[in-house]
Amino acid sequence: QVQLEQSGAEVKKPGSSVRVSCRASGGSFRSSAFSWVRQAPGQGLEWVGGIIPVFGTTNNAQKFQGRITITSDESTHTVYMELSSLRSEDTAVYYCARAPNVYSTSHAGYFDFWGQGTLLTVSS
Amino acid sequence: DIQMTQSPSTLSASVGDRVTVTCRASQFISNWLAWYQQKPGKAPKLLIYEASSLESGVPSRFSGSGSGTEFTLTISSLQPDDSATYYCQQYNSYPWTFGQGTNVGLK
Repeated sequence: QVQLEQSGAEVKKPGSSVRVSCRASGGSFRSSAFSWVRQAPGQGLEWVGGIIPVFGTTNNAQKFQGRITITSDESTHTVYMELSSLRSEDTAVYYCARAPNVYSTSHAGYFDFWGQGTLLTVSS
Repeated sequence: DIQMTQSPSTLSASVGDRVTVTCRASQFISNWLAWYQQKPGKAPKLLIYEASSLESGVPSRFSGSGSGTEFTLTISSLQPDDSATYYCQQYNSYPWTFGQGTNVGLK
């Protein structure tokens, strides 16, 4: 059983940066891809970006280009998301999510395990 | 980007009813589609992947069908615990995108 443990809630000022972590336990870190999905208050789900640690590849939604950095540390089974130049519209719950089977499928993009979510509040 | 459109946005049904949610993709996505259930204050839960494969542990009253651009999620007999918001998600090509959600409630 995979568990994803995310770092705690953050309050940031506009223009600043935030780094959120997600530590995976159980399952195989090397055969997994990880994504960040956010949900603004009362809104739907929005894919932010992701990483396949074993291949070292990252992708992100165009709207975050230049503001987002996703990294991983295989030694600690931890994935990080750093979002810079924060604005009020970035206020949301950020979920870490795992996609399985990167070796056995060309489309490792559905999320079978999710973290508990990290609330980011951007306010002056 | 591939746009995912769900219908209806909200539906109300009685316990035991058959419920269908539709998801339409703006481009061909083969069967690279997943369905999730989300309850207030909780993370989404995977129900269906590859359009019709039931995730382990998910009740068999949930099923998915479709291919190409048109997909459906069916709950064969609605239960009180099924009150939630349901999302489709395509993973055919980056960026992965979600539908806007369908809020399923009980009459």
